[in-house]
Amino acid sequence: ETGVTQSPTHLIKTRGQQVTLRCSSQSGHNTVSWYQQALGQGPQFIFQYYREEENGRGNFPPRFSGLQFPNYSSELNVNALELDDSALYLCASSLAGMGVGELFFGEGSRLTVL
Amino acid sequence: GIQVEQSPPDLILQEGANSTLRCNFSDSVNNLQWFHQNPWGQLINLFYIPSGTKQNGRLSATTVATERYSLLYISSSQTTDSGVYFCAVVSYSGGGADGLTFGKGTHLIIQP
Repeated sequence: ETGVTQSPTHLIKTRGQQVTLRCSSQSGHNTVSWYQQALGQGPQFIFQYYREEENGRGNFPPRFSGLQFPNYSSELNVNALELDDSALYLCASSLAGMGVGELFFGEGSRLTVL
Repeated sequence: GIQVEQSPPDLILQEGANSTLRCNFSDSVNNLQWFHQNPWGQLINLFYIPSGTKQNGRLSATTVATERYSLLYISSSQTTDSGVYFCAVVSYSGGGADGLTFGKGTHLIIQP
């Protein structure tokens, strides 16, 4: 069984740039969600995708967008990067469908915005 | 939205000691998970426990949904248990896919 994998593990961007983070879900899982974790804080829910559609969203602006592909993998895109976007971005997969089931997380992508 | 409070915020113990971590939440939940975040940042799934009691080796967890709290027990602590422990919930009233709401975590340090 393959776990959740994320890429890249670390990256550095400058303010105003755009970034794409990628996630492959655990084998057999059909739902993917993304979380942002600032230093010293708990993760915060960004959004969730099921059947290639966003079916839940936290308190994040539209410049945070995503995609889910037919193989259940996912991308998180952030436009017009701001300094406060510096964080660990965590992807999780589950069998939840429309709800929130038992989540399994990847190792995260650590983004630094200068 | 639902509030999640974890206590204590920090805990320093000697190897071999036992500990109890607490999670209080402000609304009825239909999902509760405990995670261990290792030094590299990965969230390791410990328990999915919206109610009842579960055990896995030296770790066990109990959720009393009617009283809105959950406890994580760690027995015979080892240095590898060090890290941050998070409780995360989904409230019944949230509706749809609202995602997990995390507490601020308990930072556990096990000294040799």
